[in-house]
Amino acid sequence: DAGITQSPRYKITETGRQVTLMCHQTWSHSYMFWYRQDLGHGLRLIYYSAAADITDKGEVPDGYVVSRSKTENFPLTLESATRSQTSVYFCASRHAGPSSYEQYFGPGTRLTVT
Amino acid sequence: QQQVKQSPQSLIVQKGGISIINCAYENTAFDYFPWYQQFPGKGPALLIAIRPDVSEKKEGRFTISFNKSAKQFSLHIMDSQPGDSATYFCAASIGSGYALNFGKGTSLLVTP
Repeated sequence: DAGITQSPRYKITETGRQVTLMCHQTWSHSYMFWYRQDLGHGLRLIYYSAAADITDKGEVPDGYVVSRSKTENFPLTLESATRSQTSVYFCASRHAGPSSYEQYFGPGTRLTVT
Repeated sequence: QQQVKQSPQSLIVQKGGISIINCAYENTAFDYFPWYQQFPGKGPALLIAIRPDVSEKKEGRFTISFNKSAKQFSLHIMDSQPGDSATYFCAASIGSGYALNFGKGTSLLVTP
């Protein structure tokens, strides 16, 4: 399917476990982003990537790791999950050109850390 | 530190009324100001966006008003409909290659 997809859509994990959230886009967009959405905080940037093998920290990167070996994939790993990482995670992507800054968001992954 | 401040946190408007959501920013380097709409269980989707070289942009019932000197911008939804009930986020970014800085969101409820 064309577009941006995230998996899993829902995940429950225990404190201390490692968990990876997947993001895949079919547009060959250069830029990809991970946000977390929490009540009262809106959307906060965790990490972003300008191209394959190029990543940079956002506002709230602690406890998260990203990689981008292929343009279309941008997985987010919680190395040792904590309850404070319970959130809804959104992946987004956008074209590199200056004509449009629109970011396209995936459907989100709701993560619960018990 | 919240770079984009959004108000109100929630808003109730009657059908046919005007919904107004306001945002303020500090960083004068911001040059792209979008509004995103999010329905429950979905990802945000771009509604309308503006660059600082214009003071207003209108798309259908949705209008962005931009005041560069005051560092403020707002979303006006004319003839609000129950289907407009959603959470609205303003955002700002610096050129290409930078991520969006989002406001905390406004939950809009349009009553029949």
